Amino acid sequence: ETGVTQTPRHLVMGMTNKKSLKCEQHLGHNAMYWYKQSAKKPLELMFVYSLEERVENNSVPSRFSPECPNSSHLFLHLHTLQPEDSALYLCASSRDRGNNQPQHFGDGTRLSIL
Amino acid sequence: AQSVSQHNHHVILSEAASLELGCNYSYGGTVNLFWYVQYPGQHLQLLLKYFSGDPLVKGIKGFEAEFIKSKFSFNLRKPSVQWSDTAEYFCAVSAYSGAGSYQLTFGKGTKLSVIP
Repeated sequence: ETGVTQTPRHLVMGMTNKKSLKCEQHLGHNAMYWYKQSAKKPLELMFVYSLEERVENNSVPSRFSPECPNSSHLFLHLHTLQPEDSALYLCASSRDRGNNQPQHFGDGTRLSIL
Repeated sequence: AQSVSQHNHHVILSEAASLELGCNYSYGGTVNLFWYVQYPGQHLQLLLKYFSGDPLVKGIKGFEAEFIKSKFSFNLRKPSVQWSDTAEYFCAVSAYSGAGSYQLTFGKGTKLSVIP
């Protein structure tokens, strides 16, 4: 049990669909993150939220839209995705954004774009 | 911006063999260093971390890592691997990225396969 829950675990969608990924953390953390994990590439940081405010957006295309309604929940809204967006999307949380705070990861959502 | 290099993409060992996975980073300032492990079908989890003090850090399941500042390295070691160590291992570096923020940068990962 990681304390970070992601749903769904698997998602298959067409390029014109709209779907959302959900992340919930039960650790009382103040920072949450979205990462993209593709084969043979480093984890790519997509978005960072600290105390529900977006503090970082690493040049992610606008077809990915994050939402953080409170410190426990994080969403990633998906719209008009491309085949190269197929990947494992990981959510993580940490106590805060300090340099020495380890991140706790969810199991990820395996996304496949048809 | 910092970067992290893991030298081996896939390592195959027999049980009881010794393990060393290389990790080098590029960043001139103060860093905190982590090794994460991802067992098949499971989430990424923290194996060990270095913040300060003794450069030889011990983690869970008999793993250890040594921070060598002059070499910008943080290699992961285990004297005798088990089949259950089969997993993917990620080195990560946390460093200042500007505007009061710290960023965690991951390497590409090293897949370890242990043969019984």
